[in-house]
This record gives sequence, C-alpha cells and structure tokens, in this order.
Amino acid sequence: GDSVTQMEGPVTLSEEAFLTINCTYTATGYPSLFWYVQYPGEGLQLLLKATKADDKGSNKGFEATYRKETTSFHLEKGSVQVSDSAVYFCALIPNAGNMLTFGGGTRLMVKP
Amino acid sequence: DAGITQSPRHKVTETGTPVTLRCHQTENHRYMYWYRQDPGHGLRLIHYSYGVKDTDKGEVSDGYSVSRSKTEDFLLTLESATSSQTSVYFCAISDRVSSTEAFFGQGTRLTVV
Repeated sequence: GDSVTQMEGPVTLSEEAFLTINCTYTATGYPSLFWYVQYPGEGLQLLLKATKADDKGSNKGFEATYRKETTSFHLEKGSVQVSDSAVYFCALIPNAGNMLTFGGGTRLMVKP
Repeated sequence: DAGITQSPRHKVTETGTPVTLRCHQTENHRYMYWYRQDPGHGLRLIHYSYGVKDTDKGEVSDGYSVSRSKTEDFLLTLESATSSQTSVYFCAISDRVSSTEAFFGQGTRLTVV
C-alpha cells in the first residue's frame, strides 16, 4: 500500500539556520504530495503542496520539490525562526484514491 | 479558516463505556475523515466518508464505527472504549479527492481510564 516515510525528530536548530526535513513516499502512479504543519495545541494546517512531478510548492519561506525519480518531497527553509517550531507532516493522496496518508511527523525546535 | 468544529474538545471516560465524537462542517464538503494521532505513529486514518451514508474503513478501524446522516455531520463512535483508544482524534474535510488540501479540526483529546 501507499506509505510516507519522514525523518525522525526532534530536529533542533538555532535561529537563522538552514532546515531540511526529508520525506520519501511509496505509491503507484502520480500522487499529490503535501506538507502540513501542526503548532502546539492546534490541528494541522496545509503548508504547501505539489500535484505533479517537478512541481515546487512554496509558502512562508518553505519549499519542497516533487521528485518522481527519487520519490521524494523534502521540505527546506533557508533561515528558520523560533516561530517555525512545530511538528511537520509529509502526506500524499494517490492519483485515483480517497485517503490522505501521513508520515510519522517531525518535530522542529528552533532556539533563539 | 474552514468551518469545521469538533466536540467535545476533551473527554475522560471509563473503560467499557460508549463514546461518540462529533465533527460538524459548514463548508458543504463531500469528504470527511477521522484520524487518530499517537506519538511515533503520526496520523492514522480510522474511517472516512465520501457522501451521506457512504463510509469506508481506514487503516485502524477496529473498535470504531462511524455514521454520516447529513452532509455536515460525521460521528465517530467507540462502542466500548479501551485504554488503547486513548489518543487525540482529528476530523478533516475536503472537497475533491486529489490535489487539494484537507482542512482539519482542532482535535479531541480522549482519555480512557
């Protein structure tokens, strides 16, 4: 079945450091890919998405590129802020499917 | 923010009792989902609905049932709660199946003692 694997956390960075959170997936065809963010005590919010190969999703300084050849959708940000501290989830929906499948989540902690 | 409300937000219940969680939406979205969130497991799909009275099982459906009698309401029932069902439960809604985002509720923290 479809699955998403992301790096385990927590990831601890200093403010203004470069961030990469790895995400790889297993799915047939061309799924749509998503990054969601969960701030403490809240539900999940969509951060960015990409719906076809080589698409780049971006939002709030975060970026991720849909790489079909490596089945990856790594999340990057050039300069993190304390306010970026949250749990980040990579997810996919199959091209002809109904279910949004999530990775295990990666907690990011940014220190001043 | 998408109009999606979960109730209750917090609940403590005893083992063996029935529990119903409610998800209410004002967006008229076709698809509704129930997930549970546990440390080390991310979010796992329990059940989902693709229309009124149309539901299907997800990855971890054992011990749970759902009902959707109206577009706006999706109920999750634990027939006889167990300690392993202590979790945070999230409802989500979406309008189209693929290439669009899902909107999430604030979550319900359920503790089974």
